[in-house]
Amino acid sequence: DAGITQSPRHKVTETGTPVTLRCHQTENHRYMYWYRQDPGHGLRLIHYSYGVKDTDKGEVSDGYSVSRSKTEDFLLTLESATSSQTSVYFCAIAKTSGQETQYFGPGTRLLVL
Amino acid sequence: GQNIDQPTEMTATEGAIVQINCTYQTSGFNGLFWYQQHAGEAPTFLSYNVLDGLEEKGRFSSFLSRSKGYSYLLLKELQMKDSASYLCAVRALGAFSGGYNKLIFGAGTRLAVHP
Repeated sequence: DAGITQSPRHKVTETGTPVTLRCHQTENHRYMYWYRQDPGHGLRLIHYSYGVKDTDKGEVSDGYSVSRSKTEDFLLTLESATSSQTSVYFCAIAKTSGQETQYFGPGTRLLVL
Repeated sequence: GQNIDQPTEMTATEGAIVQINCTYQTSGFNGLFWYQQHAGEAPTFLSYNVLDGLEEKGRFSSFLSRSKGYSYLLLKELQMKDSASYLCAVRALGAFSGGYNKLIFGAGTRLAVHP
């Protein structure tokens, strides 16, 4: 158990509404990541953080923003949800950006109607 | 570009051995990970290879050939609980603008173990 929780675990929302997903860690790790997982695509990186207030874009960042005001929390926001953002979202943490292994949270299933 | 290929599905019999292959093309290669993911759950770390050769961990082994851009995960003495997806992921050095590394994941291989 890598001490990662995600909330909510499931969410149904309507197109055009804002949605915020939370990732919380108790391990004090520096690096945190948001991925989405869709059939046939594997895990794709949305945004990542390399410290408090330090974030950068991943490969599928359009339509998403993130914030990290504390080491333990990494928030992912969909400003105006679209049906294409229906997915399973995983948060991951890593101690360093070197050899380290990424450990994943339990995931959030988001359905945008 | 960066690309990772692995078979979409495989089936095997309980007690048997199965090999899941992964081929990759990526710049700045610096390690390959295998993760296991049961349906509806998070990926969990299985193995890591950065040098050529075989790494053994109980019933699971992972092999890497950097010159061939090839890895495999070997599962021995298969059990029903090994039915899951197996994700191959390659770490690319300095792939982000800030010079940080990133993991590139394959789409995963869904393994079904039958009695």
